[in-house]
Amino acid sequence: QKEVEQDPGPLSVPEGAIVSLNCTYSNSAFQYFMWYRQYSRKGPELLMYTYSSGNKEDGRFTAQVDKSSKYISLFIRDSQPSDSATYLCAMSEYYGGSQGNLIFGKGTKLSVKP
Amino acid sequence: DTAVSQTPKYLVTQMGNDKSIKCEQNLGHDTMYWYKQDSKKFLKIMFSYNNKELIINETVPNRFSPKSPDKAHLNLHINSLELGDSAVYFCASSQDIGTLNQPQHFGDGTRLSIL
Repeated sequence: QKEVEQDPGPLSVPEGAIVSLNCTYSNSAFQYFMWYRQYSRKGPELLMYTYSSGNKEDGRFTAQVDKSSKYISLFIRDSQPSDSATYLCAMSEYYGGSQGNLIFGKGTKLSVKP
Repeated sequence: DTAVSQTPKYLVTQMGNDKSIKCEQNLGHDTMYWYKQDSKKFLKIMFSYNNKELIINETVPNRFSPKSPDKAHLNLHINSLELGDSAVYFCASSQDIGTLNQPQHFGDGTRLSIL
């Protein structure tokens, strides 16, 4: 089992839909969770990050972390064609005052149709 | 004003050659990284440099060597290229490797194809 599992999709939704993207992980020491968005031929850009469990909201985006289930989610409300991209989850441990390596999921390719 | 820039964007070369990829960041960050994204889209860290000191070296062949002339640059040298080296290589930087909530900023990648 890989440390971070993410359904690669592709996921196709109509404009305005609510999108749910998910990752599961096996390492209970992960405490720092991130979502990156990667457009075609571009580098990943950070969307959201959370530390430990809980929810975090930023505009149309909401990140949730459930450490008991080792499950994280990213919700996109009122999805737009400009949201079409690959979404990668990433996570790391935090120990001794230092953040560990980022471990990425494979990414989910999202397409929002007008 | 590109924050993290890599050159070249595309690199096509033959097996056995030696090549370099350059990376520069203008964010004033202390830590830089190299990642490899393979054909299955997995993004895996290769190296990181903090204040010109190599602090992480994952299980990467010693044909790959990072070189940092200064804090703003981290170049990747690859000797004796092999077919399996074909991938997209991303450079990234962050303020400090040890501080929480310091996101990594990525360049747009160098697409390396080995013939």
